[in-house]
Amino acid sequence: GAGVSQSPSNKVTEKGKDVELRCDPISGHTALYWYRQSLGQGLEFLIYFQGNSAPDKSGLPSDRFSAERTGGSVSTLTIQRTQQEDSAVYLCASSFSGTSGIEQFFGPGTRLTVL
Amino acid sequence: QQQVKQSPQSLIVQKGGISIINCAYENTAFDYFPWYQQFPGKGPALLIAIRPDVSEKKEGRFTISFNKSAKQFSLHIMDSQPGDSATYFCAAPVPNDYKLSFGAGTTVTVRA
Repeated sequence: GAGVSQSPSNKVTEKGKDVELRCDPISGHTALYWYRQSLGQGLEFLIYFQGNSAPDKSGLPSDRFSAERTGGSVSTLTIQRTQQEDSAVYLCASSFSGTSGIEQFFGPGTRLTVL
Repeated sequence: QQQVKQSPQSLIVQKGGISIINCAYENTAFDYFPWYQQFPGKGPALLIAIRPDVSEKKEGRFTISFNKSAKQFSLHIMDSQPGDSATYFCAAPVPNDYKLSFGAGTTVTVRA
């Protein structure tokens, strides 16, 4: 079956531009997570969705970052006025339910480069 | 917030050797400790997880050991193979939350 997909796989943008990153979770998975992984670093939690609602946005680095999820499925992470420090791999994961004891399935990530 | 400390940052092992990665956590509401494996250019994938009503879980060449009193758990890769070369992340549940807190990762290189 299809796993978590993300698009684009790579995005190069100029400083100050806005970008949108897309995540298609596994069908039927109610929970969706966004993480950021800087080069050689661990996984930094950004935001969590249960259905279409985001009970926890505490990991978003600044108000330039926002995310939404529609139809309990696709999610979009938007970064406005990108900065060079936003360069990283953005990973999306989904799970059957939003409990931390449930396996999270990760997508391949979007590599964002801000010039 | 849960803090998970993972070590070493990297390790090199000869083919056939044993790779050992250690993690320590602060607190957890319940016991579920997964290990994720990540190859370059790919997302992490669940490798093995333990729910410690047992102190050890083995799947093929991969074994998790768990020491509840010390709040530590470790991953052992027996008979390491070049195909095991990857970055490994441990994780632990954040108390009273739905999130996993991930360790910083260990890059394992297996030399043929």
